[in-house]
Amino acid sequence: GEDVEQSLFLSVREGDSSVINCTYTDSSSTYLYWYKQEPGAGLQLLTYIFSNMDMKQDQRLTVLLNKKDKHLSLRIADTQTGDSAIYFCAESTYSSASKIIFGSGTRLSIRP
Amino acid sequence: DTGVSQDPRHKITKRGQNVTFRCDPISEHNRLYWYRQTLGQGPEFLTYFQNEAQLEKSRLLSDRFSAERPKGSFSTLEIQRTEQGDSAMYLCASSTDRAVEQYFGPGTRLTVT
Repeated sequence: GEDVEQSLFLSVREGDSSVINCTYTDSSSTYLYWYKQEPGAGLQLLTYIFSNMDMKQDQRLTVLLNKKDKHLSLRIADTQTGDSAIYFCAESTYSSASKIIFGSGTRLSIRP
Repeated sequence: DTGVSQDPRHKITKRGQNVTFRCDPISEHNRLYWYRQTLGQGPEFLTYFQNEAQLEKSRLLSDRFSAERPKGSFSTLEIQRTEQGDSAMYLCASSTDRAVEQYFGPGTRLTVT
């Protein structure tokens, strides 16, 4: 079946790196996403990775994919207070790219 | 381009009433999606349209829910005989054909009292 799991909370010090982890169960997952949701705002697509890639880097964001273990991570370098939000891991398959399956979200809080 | 817009942003209704939400996608996007998000959870897929055709519906979409996209542009989601369990954020997203990225609107928060 389809399931995406992630830890509920993460607290990091400002300036440190944040690493948010996610596991998924669907071996046919083709696209894996990270979305950000700030209070009162919609979901913002941060980045996505194809399942045939191991890593993708975009400015302060680094996505790592371990397809064998079905593990996805998002690293945010030099975490800032503006990074405080809920981060959702999500996946879709090639055959049903219309339907994105989301995890429950990880709430990232930043300590001064 | 102003992005995906949804109206209203908030709706409070009494149990048993009908409600209708509207979504306007990004203008050149021919795919439109509806999701529901309850407190502390990620969004759950409800249905999607390719132009005016509704191509997939989740089992979450009970008979009280109906979605339309009559001209392939904006879409409406109607909930009949609302129940307290319908209280949630209803999110709309749009994309181009077979695009990986879906762009989300700000959502309509429904509270059923």
